[in-house]
Amino acid sequence: EAGVAQSPRYKIIEKRQSVAFWCNPISGHATLYWYQQILGQGPKLLIQFQNNGVVDDSQLPKDRFSAERLKGVDSTLKIQPAKLEDSAVYLCASSLIIDSKELFFGEGSRLTVL
Amino acid sequence: GEDVEQSLFLSVREGDSSVINCTYTDSSSTYLYWYKQEPGAGLQLLTYIFSNMDMKQDQRLTVLLNKKDKHLSLRIADTQTGDSAIYFCAVGIYNQGGKLIFGQGTELSVKP
Repeated sequence: EAGVAQSPRYKIIEKRQSVAFWCNPISGHATLYWYQQILGQGPKLLIQFQNNGVVDDSQLPKDRFSAERLKGVDSTLKIQPAKLEDSAVYLCASSLIIDSKELFFGEGSRLTVL
Repeated sequence: GEDVEQSLFLSVREGDSSVINCTYTDSSSTYLYWYKQEPGAGLQLLTYIFSNMDMKQDQRLTVLLNKKDKHLSLRIADTQTGDSAIYFCAVGIYNQGGKLIFGQGTELSVKP
């Protein structure tokens, strides 16, 4: 079974530029999560989708971050404009159903903002 | 909101047992997890325990849960150099959509 796929693995941009990350969850998984992991910290949930609807985006900085999952499968997370403090690893995770006890994580996309 | 705390570092000798500790604040936590993260990799689920259990054993891993003290521990028996990684404790609350709250991670260093 293929795991959660993310791209790009690494991205370096200058502040005020924009960046987009892509995630393809495990086939059949209805719930998709984007987490932000700043160096030295644990992952923090940014946004959660159930199919193509948003369940929780309370921690998403909506002035600069946006995410979509238009067809209920893959998802894109965008940052525009980026700030230095956005440097982090962006982890995508999926689960079969909402409230599942098992989340499967991708390898993450590492963003460096200069 | 929920807060999850872990010590930052642990160093052990190969063959010894490792014990990684975690405390949390929300008593409505339903599932409690241990994830492993190796350098440059994503999070790998090691094990989890339901909040109505005290202990769970899975090969070299033993999870102990003290609900009264809101304390979770992960014991790794016969620790190997391949166990060197960052270990994250995470808590999930039922009816919050599977959202997990993570601790800051404990870096385990295993010396030969």
